[in-house]
Amino acid sequence: QFALTQPASVSGSPGQSITISCTGTSSDVGAYNYVSWYQQHPGKAPKVMIYDVSNRPSGVSDRFSGSKSANTASLTISGLQAEDEADYYCGSYTSSSTWVFGGGTKLTVL
Amino acid sequence: EVQLVESGGDLVEPGGSLRLSCAASGFTFSSYSMYWVRQAPGKGLGWVSSISSSSSYIFYADSAKGRFTISRDNAKNSLYLQMNSLRAEDTAVYYCARKAYGNYNMDVWGKGTTVTVSS
Repeated sequence: QFALTQPASVSGSPGQSITISCTGTSSDVGAYNYVSWYQQHPGKAPKVMIYDVSNRPSGVSDRFSGSKSANTASLTISGLQAEDEADYYCGSYTSSSTWVFGGGTKLTVL
Repeated sequence: EVQLVESGGDLVEPGGSLRLSCAASGFTFSSYSMYWVRQAPGKGLGWVSSISSSSSYIFYADSAKGRFTISRDNAKNSLYLQMNSLRAEDTAVYYCARKAYGNYNMDVWGKGTTVTVSS
């Protein structure tokens, strides 16, 4: 049971774009612009790809973008590449000063 | 190089205790809040606990309250998680992570240490 809801899986062909949604409540996603997205390859530690809803850390490809509307945040990956195949997790700081994550979305590049 | 290295994971029986450590290097550890995040086998990420730079603010997930204690030693550049009354559902890879300076995300992660609770 995870506080944020993500689709279990998404897929796309190389070059296409995909979007992963992350739905929470007014106490987490909707409370602040403190949603971040993490990429995790098998057996590896997570890596932040987007922070504060739509900001990219240095070194992250501009093919990754984020947005938010009310209680739902989204991660879009454009120009899909084979190396993008991974699990993606959204995370949000909450109004209780805690953190919640989504259940994760497995991205398959066809 | 900014680095976090966890240690202390082990096989422990239900009801047992374990202390995890996270050694930080390559940055001014005393300036950063830190987190413990866990991942059960084949499952998603779960936030466990947070501690502010000076240990003034500490928060726990409901699953950790009363059983786990987060602490840090800024002189040793180290973060700790004392875990008591362990249950099978605590079986997971435990990651320490750094809170990014000035915003809310986990910008540096360790490789994790594995805790297995089983008889």
